Amino acid sequence: AQKITQTQPGMFVQEKEAVTLDCTYDTSDPSYGLFWYKQPSSGEMIFLIYQGSYDQQNATEGRYSLNFQKARKSANLVISASQLGDSAMYFCAMREAYNTDKLIFGTGTRLQVFP
Amino acid sequence: GAVVSQHPSRVICKSGTSVKIECRSLDFQATTMFWYRQFPKQSLMLMATSNEGSKATYEQGVEKDKFLINHASLTLSTLTVTSAHPEDSSFYICSAKGERDQPQHFGDGTRLSIL
Repeated sequence: AQKITQTQPGMFVQEKEAVTLDCTYDTSDPSYGLFWYKQPSSGEMIFLIYQGSYDQQNATEGRYSLNFQKARKSANLVISASQLGDSAMYFCAMREAYNTDKLIFGTGTRLQVFP
Repeated sequence: GAVVSQHPSRVICKSGTSVKIECRSLDFQATTMFWYRQFPKQSLMLMATSNEGSKATYEQGVEKDKFLINHASLTLSTLTVTSAHPEDSSFYICSAKGERDQPQHFGDGTRLSIL
């Protein structure tokens, strides 16, 4: 069965520093997709970045990059130059390949950026 | 682009009331919409998958007669919590998805409180 694991319940980072949020996954499907979402305290889920299992390069979107290590089944999110507004919950998710595009979410990591 | 509107954002009502939550994709056609429930400080739990013009597919343990889902068009899905009770109080959030490789885009969520 597919599974997503986020082992860091909380992380702290100083403003302007980089931070890595861990995510490991388990699946037997060769084709899958990995997503990261941000959830501020207001509740909305904001899509950040996507990595396909066949993508040769690590995904990047502005200050977000995904450190995709397929052999280790990890898809860590790297946020560079942290800002106070980055404080939020971050969820890693995996799309099941051969069904209705359902997402399986990890338990999340609460990131707090301090001045 | 890819804006999903969810309404209402907050509902407080008496036990026994039925509550309808709307989810609209504003600038794209959503072939599939998803309904999630989130308890405080927990991850998102998928309740059901909704495809336009067909019956929703409910996850195990979700009562389909309790949580009625209608996906009448490619831009609108509704979740009706029937005869709501205090244990139904939660944060409900929808997402919508267009083409195959596009991510799910989420609404802002609805905070439901049943007195």
